[in-house]
Amino acid sequence: VVLTQSPDTLSLSPGERATLSCRVSQHLDSIYLAWYQQKPGHPPRLLIYGASNRATGIPDRFSGSGSGTDFTLTISRLEPEDFAVYYCQEYGSTFGQGTRLEIK
Amino acid sequence: DVQLVESGGGLVHPGGSLRLSCAASGFTVDGHYMSWVRQAPGKGLEFISALYRPDLTYHTDSVKGRFIVSRDDASNTLFLQMNNLAVDDTAVYYCARGGGYTYGYAFDLWGQGTLVTVSA
Repeated sequence: VVLTQSPDTLSLSPGERATLSCRVSQHLDSIYLAWYQQKPGHPPRLLIYGASNRATGIPDRFSGSGSGTDFTLTISRLEPEDFAVYYCQEYGSTFGQGTRLEIK
Repeated sequence: DVQLVESGGGLVHPGGSLRLSCAASGFTVDGHYMSWVRQAPGKGLEFISALYRPDLTYHTDSVKGRFIVSRDDASNTLFLQMNNLAVDDTAVYYCARGGGYTYGYAFDLWGQGTLVTVSA
């Protein structure tokens, strides 16, 4: 299974809406799709599991959606602390290559 | 506190060996799917090994035959024995806990990572 994230880099300003995509090479039950955030020098943090469920302590500006082979992470209004690298993952195993969200 | 603490990283020559440890607290490793994920400098996350139960493990192709994942229930610790190390194995190694079926086995707890550097 291959997970392809797009775009590789997304340049936005605080307050804007971010939409990150994760395409899976074969059909995936949505329960097995997760999203993580990683900041430099830190381990990844689970944001979303089961494609649309926020993990404990994750603000509601983060939301996940999708099914089958196409999944999306949306950040409704970017805060300064949201600029990081985001990864999708399937079935507790393979990761996408990541999307870097940078300040414009 | 519920946490994972890795240790055992360091500098090793090509062809050498290292054993990484991941000490768990606040929960028992024998009740969870546990994994190792690595991240080469400036690169993305790579899932490399997992232990579902002692007789059911997984290793990605790039480490198969060289790395062995195991656990010790008495010390509540996950291990990664790494043999015949190559320069391409240089990375930060994280251990992670799978959150179970309800979480779709997503990794809900991560250690802080331990750096392995393979260099002559």
